[in-house]
Amino acid sequence: QKEVEQDPGPLSVPEGAIVSLNCTYSNSAFQYFMWYRQYSRKGPELLMYTYSSGNKEDGRFTAQVDKSSKYISLFIRDSQPSDSATYLCAMMRPNFGNEKLTFGTGTRLTIIP
Amino acid sequence: GAVVSQHPSRVICKSGTSVKIECRSLDFQATTMFWYRQFPKQSLMLMATSNEGSKATYEQGVEKDKFLINHASLTLSTLTVTSAHPEDSSFYICSARDDSNYGYTFGSGTRLTVV
Repeated sequence: QKEVEQDPGPLSVPEGAIVSLNCTYSNSAFQYFMWYRQYSRKGPELLMYTYSSGNKEDGRFTAQVDKSSKYISLFIRDSQPSDSATYLCAMMRPNFGNEKLTFGTGTRLTIIP
Repeated sequence: GAVVSQHPSRVICKSGTSVKIECRSLDFQATTMFWYRQFPKQSLMLMATSNEGSKATYEQGVEKDKFLINHASLTLSTLTVTSAHPEDSSFYICSARDDSNYGYTFGSGTRLTVV
């Protein structure tokens, strides 16, 4: 079993819809949770960063972490064609010595105008 | 915001030659940098962790003699693909961890094609 599971999609939704992206994980030691957006042939860019459980909102984006269920979500409101990209979840344990990010496989999202 | 510059963005080389990829943190210091490989429609696969002034730590299955990593300063790490073969063709991405806040910033990636 992979440490982080993410549905690869593809996911297509009409413009203006609410998008829900999710990841599940098995390692209860993960404390830091991130969502990255990656456009084709580009490096990932950080969208949201959450520590432990709870919600975090930034503009049209909301990240949720439910540590009891080992489940994280990213919601995109009023989706735009420019949101079309691959979304990767990533997690990390609280050890800053040489700690690595563990990534999900990424979900390919297409917003249809 | 933090910026990581990765060069070249695209390179085509002949089989048997070596290729060097640079990863540079422009406005922060990064003792630790990471090198990833990404195949089409797949996630990032960590190849190695690069630490300034010491040897890199390679992930299981990654040939350290083929993928040479040098992290000679707090702002620069290089990955050299030696004696490249067509199966080394891939998208290589670096990431630098900011020493001041532990934030991770990714480079824009290098598409390597070996012919």
